[in-house]
Amino acid sequence: DVKVTQSSRYLVKRTGEKVFLECVQDMDHENMFWYRQDPGLGLRLIYFSYDVKMKEKGDIPEGYSVSREKKERFSLILESASTNQTSMYLCASSQLQVGSEAFFGQGTRLTVV
Amino acid sequence: RKEVEQDPGPFNVPEGATVAFNCTYSNSASQSFFWYRQDCRKEPKLLMSVYSSGNEDGRFTAQLNRASQYISLLIRDSKLSDSATYLCVVAGWGYNQGGKLIFGQGTELSVKP
Repeated sequence: DVKVTQSSRYLVKRTGEKVFLECVQDMDHENMFWYRQDPGLGLRLIYFSYDVKMKEKGDIPEGYSVSREKKERFSLILESASTNQTSMYLCASSQLQVGSEAFFGQGTRLTVV
Repeated sequence: RKEVEQDPGPFNVPEGATVAFNCTYSNSASQSFFWYRQDCRKEPKLLMSVYSSGNEDGRFTAQLNRASQYISLLIRDSKLSDSATYLCVVAGWGYNQGGKLIFGQGTELSVKP
C-alpha cells in the first residue's frame, strides 16, 4: 500500500517561530511537492522537487524554503512563521513519467498565533 | 489569468442527475491532465486521467480538447456518495519542471436525496 506520511496532523506555532513540516514517501518517487490549501483558493504549489537536492519554486514560495537531502524525504520550512501562513499543508509525490498519479499525505493543519 | 480555471461551485443536484464540470488551462505545453476528488477534510485522490480520445470509467466520462485547452468531467446518475470537491489538474513537462502539477480551485458537488 503506497504511503505519503506527514509528521503532524495539527500544529500550533507562535509568530516568528521557525517551523519544520516533514514528509516521507515509501514509493521511491522522484517528484515531491508541497501545497497549501485555503478556502476559495484551492491547492497552491509552494515548492516541488524532481530529484535529491533539486528544488523548484512554485507559485507562492515567499516565506518558505525546502530541503531534500534524501529521495524519500521532503521538508518544508517556514523561516519565521506569520499568521497569514495559517493553512492546511499537503505533501504529495509522484513518479517522473508523464501521466503519473500523485499521492498525497493526510495534510498538516498549521495554526500560527 | 490563472493557469487552471474551473467552473465556480457549488453544484447542488438531486440523486440521479447528470452533472458536468468544465476546466480550462492556459499553458499549451501541458502534457497530462487529471481529475482528482477530495472529500471533506481528506486529501485529494486521483479520480481519472484525461486523454484526447476521451475516457470513461463507469458513470464518469472525461474529455480533453487540446485545441481549445479545455477539459471536462461528466457524472451520470449522480449518487449521494459523489458529493465531494472535484479538482482539475494539469501537468507540464519541460526543463526543470519535473512534472509540476497545477490544480484548479475545485468545484464542490453536493448530491441531495
